[in-house]
Amino acid sequence: GAVVSQHPSWVICKSGTSVKIECRSLDFQATTMFWYRQFPKQSLMLMATSNEGSKATYEQGVEKDKFLINHASLTLSTLTVTSAHPEDSSFYICSARKVGAGRTDTQYFGPGTRLTVL
Amino acid sequence: GQQLNQSPQSMFIQEGEDVSMNCTSSSIFNTWLWYKQDPGEGPVLLIALYKAGELTSNGRLTAQFGITRKDSFLNISASIPSDVGIYFCAGQIGGAQKLVFGQGTRLTINP
Repeated sequence: GAVVSQHPSWVICKSGTSVKIECRSLDFQATTMFWYRQFPKQSLMLMATSNEGSKATYEQGVEKDKFLINHASLTLSTLTVTSAHPEDSSFYICSARKVGAGRTDTQYFGPGTRLTVL
Repeated sequence: GQQLNQSPQSMFIQEGEDVSMNCTSSSIFNTWLWYKQDPGEGPVLLIALYKAGELTSNGRLTAQFGITRKDSFLNISASIPSDVGIYFCAGQIGGAQKLVFGQGTRLTINP
């Protein structure tokens, strides 16, 4: 299989502060990672595509200046929620894209990070 | 935007029963992936399908990539309590790397 980790698993912060979430592919290299947000009892909502060595591609309606993404290596992408507010409280999940034999293309997910902004 | 219709939205079954859920779309998919998500956790990949007509099993789970490339189903045989959770289908359209997700099927099992 393929293992993706996220850190921290949960974080509580004060309104106005910034929070950084790390996503690592532990046993494979990922040129592409994805960041999702999930509200209770809903499906995953793609926020942005993170490409190693280049700028992230944000989905419509996602503020790129608020959700900063850095993908500096083939195994690490970070999401920084800047000037967090209570409405940013959510479950943030990353995934890493693994391209296998025969051009198979699969995404493996991290365990998620629960962000609570007070 | 692109949409996957996943059904049923929820299922309440007895332990030992078989389960079937499916996803359909008006678009043609190149990849179908089935995930299971437990509360407070990230989705875990169950089965990946890459070819139209492909039928793949993983233990008690079986999934198929529809021949029209617009649908997929997941079956679970002889359900057990640890099968409880939310199941998501997801797929890739054309050359896109990003996934389109279904709304999820919430499975509840009565012992």
